[in-house]
Amino acid sequence: GENVEQHPSTLSVQEGDSAVIKCTYSDSASNYFPWYKQELGKRPQLIIDIRSNVGEKKDQRIAVTLNKTAKHFSLHITETQPEDSAVYFCAAGTGANSKLTFGKGITLSVRP
Amino acid sequence: EAGVAQSPRYKIIEKRQSVAFWCNPISGHATLYWYQQILGQGPKLLIQFQNNGVVDDSQLPKDRFSAERLKGVDSTLKIQPAKLEDSAVYLCASSLNGGGETQYFGPGTRLLVL
Repeated sequence: GENVEQHPSTLSVQEGDSAVIKCTYSDSASNYFPWYKQELGKRPQLIIDIRSNVGEKKDQRIAVTLNKTAKHFSLHITETQPEDSAVYFCAAGTGANSKLTFGKGITLSVRP
Repeated sequence: EAGVAQSPRYKIIEKRQSVAFWCNPISGHATLYWYQQILGQGPKLLIQFQNNGVVDDSQLPKDRFSAERLKGVDSTLKIQPAKLEDSAVYLCASSLNGGGETQYFGPGTRLLVL
């Protein structure tokens, strides 16, 4: 089955700096790649997603890039703010039903 | 619109007891998912329903876990008997029709097995 890995496991940045979180996946048939943000004790919430026919997608301060050849995708957050501090999960969707396999998550800390 | 509802929010039981969780998806969403999220890990899909049919239950420990969605709306997940390693947050999610559409998560049920 699909295997999704996230690197690094923790990331600390200064407010205003950029943060980049990388994920790799194993199944070349995966076609849907969402990113979820989970604050402590709360539900995961979708922040951005990308499909396999697109290389990059941007939404205000957040962007995602996909390299299908290398089987990795990355989340880019610019001008980070303290409220960006959370756990970020990447996932890969496989098959007609886009069954999601999640990574273990990365804890992002934005220092004021 | 109302989000995904789950109950109870917290449950503490002893090992070998049984427990049930309930989920009501967003109105009109055909696809419903149950995930298990162990502390420090990402959600793991247990079962996916399309209307009242099972699409994927390959990671559901069927010797102790069961789930149903009889009328194609709300769903229950049951564990019987529970083990210590079942301690986790059980998340329900729904999407309009599956197939790469946004999954909306409920608040989860935090289960502690003693």
